[in-house]
Amino acid sequence: GQQVMQIPQYQHVQEGEDFTTYCNSSTTLSNIQWYKQRPGGHPVFLIQLVKSGEVKKQKRLTFQFGEAKKNSSLHITATQTTDVGTYFCADSGYSTLTFGKGTMLLVSP
Amino acid sequence: DAGVIQSPRHEVTEMGQEVTLRCKPISGHNSLFWYRQTMMRGLELLIYFNNNVPIDDSGMPEDRFSAKMPNASFSTLKIQPSEPRDSAVYFCASSFGGADTEAFFGQGTRLTVV
Repeated sequence: GQQVMQIPQYQHVQEGEDFTTYCNSSTTLSNIQWYKQRPGGHPVFLIQLVKSGEVKKQKRLTFQFGEAKKNSSLHITATQTTDVGTYFCADSGYSTLTFGKGTMLLVSP
Repeated sequence: DAGVIQSPRHEVTEMGQEVTLRCKPISGHNSLFWYRQTMMRGLELLIYFNNNVPIDDSGMPEDRFSAKMPNASFSTLKIQPSEPRDSAVYFCASSFGGADTEAFFGQGTRLTVV
C-alpha cells in the first residue's frame, strides 16, 4: 500500500485550544480513513473520505480530503480531555489498509 | 455482537518458543487483517485475508511468521521460533467487504518475548 506520512508526531494542547493533524502521500490515495486509539486501547474507526475535496464533520471534528487526493487533515475545535489519544490516517483501497504512524494528542485541563 | 475476539490478551514466552495468536472476526465479515504495533514502527499490516484467501502478505516479516484462515470465523498468526524483537501488540481486525470499508479491531494481544 501507499506510504502515508503524518505530522506532527505529537502535540500537547490546553483544553479549549484547537488541534490539527495532517496526512500526506507522494502518490494519489484511494480513500482515506481516520481512526482514534485511546491509551491502552485499540484503533476505533472515525470516518472514511472518498471524494476529492470532500469535507465531513462530526461534532467538533472536521475531516478534509485534498483536491488531488494526496493529503488529508483532521481538525478538532475546542479540544476536551476526552480527545486524548493517537489519531491515525490510513490509505484504504480494495486490497490494502495501510496506516500512518499517527499523531499523539495530549490535552491538559 | 461481541466484536472481534482475540486470545490470549497477554503472552509472555521465552525466545525460541512457538507462539500462536488467535482471532475470531465479527460474524458475516469477509475481510480480516493482522497488524503489529510498536512504538518505533507504528501499526504495520502483516497480512490481509479476503474470503479466507490471503490477498496481501507482503508485510509478513520473514519465514518465522505464518498466518492461516481455515474458515470464515477463525484465524491464527504463528511465530516460530519467537525472538525478543517480536515483542509488540498484535491486533486482528475485520470488515464487511474489502479493505476500503470500516475495520473493527480486537483488543489486541500483548506479546513479550524474553
